[in-house]
Amino acid sequence: GAVVSQHPSWVICKSGTSVKIECRSLDFQATTMFWYRQFPKQSLMLMATSNEGSKATYEQGVEKDKFLINHASLTLSTLTVTSAHPEDSSFYICSGVPGSSYEQYFGPGTRLTVT
Amino acid sequence: AQTVTQSQPEMSVQEAETVTLSCTYDTSESNYYLFWYKQPPSRQMILVIRQEAYKQQNATENRFSVNFQKAAKSFSLKISDSQLGDTAMYFCAVLASGSRLTFGEGTQLTVNP
Repeated sequence: GAVVSQHPSWVICKSGTSVKIECRSLDFQATTMFWYRQFPKQSLMLMATSNEGSKATYEQGVEKDKFLINHASLTLSTLTVTSAHPEDSSFYICSGVPGSSYEQYFGPGTRLTVT
Repeated sequence: AQTVTQSQPEMSVQEAETVTLSCTYDTSESNYYLFWYKQPPSRQMILVIRQEAYKQQNATENRFSVNFQKAAKSFSLKISDSQLGDTAMYFCAVLASGSRLTFGEGTQLTVNP
């Protein structure tokens, strides 16, 4: 149990365009979802925390107008990278936390390449 | 705030041997959880083992065990009978309030045949 999916797994977009990444909890309701960014050979950096039905909380240094997060339901959170630039190219990982649990379940990640 | 330090960027071990990955952490919380995650080349984060800080007994999952030293804020991972499939990046992490995880920088483990 506790499976999280992400779509797409890999996306290439042109500089200046926007791209949306979906994160779904398949067999549980995720009251909280997290979005991470990971550069090659580095650790996961928390970008934001989203709770269903409320605005996301962004980490210091993360541009909230550039990385739009929506957690509209208990099974879906989306990350939209607006006006993407090559420096936004990275691996984006989401995770979900079921109900009253504390443990995070991770999605398989999305590789974003901005050309 | 929490911090996690993994002082070994890379390690290697021969197949069937034992290896220990180090991790130290700092937190002001009295109630917290510790984790080791594995990230293979597929980049899917896989939970290896968890430890509740209030439990004195070290957690064990098959070939994986931890040495949890609460006073020293140390949480090392021992992998016994290493297998080629254990080759991955390993992250130590601490979770305190709000389900928020803080990760270490990671240790790249290579198991050699």
